[in-house]
Amino acid sequence: TQLLEQSPQFLSIQEGENLTVYCNSSSVFSSLQWYRQEPGEGPVLLVTVVTGGEVKKLKRLTFQFGDARKDSSLHITAAQPGDTGLYLCAGSGNQFYFGTGTSLTVIP
Amino acid sequence: DAGITQSPRYKITETGRQVTLMCHQTWSHSYMFWYRQDLGHGLRLIYYSAAADITDKGEVPDGYVVSRSKTENFPLTLESATRSQTSVYFCASRGVVGTGELFFGEGSRLTVL
Repeated sequence: TQLLEQSPQFLSIQEGENLTVYCNSSSVFSSLQWYRQEPGEGPVLLVTVVTGGEVKKLKRLTFQFGDARKDSSLHITAAQPGDTGLYLCAGSGNQFYFGTGTSLTVIP
Repeated sequence: DAGITQSPRYKITETGRQVTLMCHQTWSHSYMFWYRQDLGHGLRLIYYSAAADITDKGEVPDGYVVSRSKTENFPLTLESATRSQTSVYFCASRGVVGTGELFFGEGSRLTVL
């Protein structure tokens, strides 16, 4: 049983479309991170959110941490082919628990 | 070069054999982690270590052994490999407790026949 569930598991969209990825848990986390992974490589950190209700923007990516610090979302505006990859959320404490992942494909 | 390196990158072995995956980091990070990645499961934590000689189990520790005699090294051993341990294994390190970023190696792809 994984602490963090992501949805959708797979997403294939056309360039220019918007999308949202969800990360949900029944547990409260002190902070939550989002990572992006490309084939053959390890995940790379995109953002860390700490405060309930916090919203962070990274160019076309918007990250939100739920008020109760149990869930988070990643919204991408006007997706580009370069956004293709596996997106992973991770809840942190002494351990880091990762979500099930969302594989995004952006078609030119 | 500074960073976190894993070896071997690819390994094929047979059921019942012992396999050790190596992980080395040059940052002197306190925390190190081992994850396995399988389709539909994201990354699952196998073991982690808060410092040299301190290790603890994660979500899926059965069939694995770790040690941490030096801060920079964190080897993962499969004492008797099984087919269900076919996976991609990632080592990671973190220097700051709490919200600190995880830095990952490039992964070790293990196939157990």
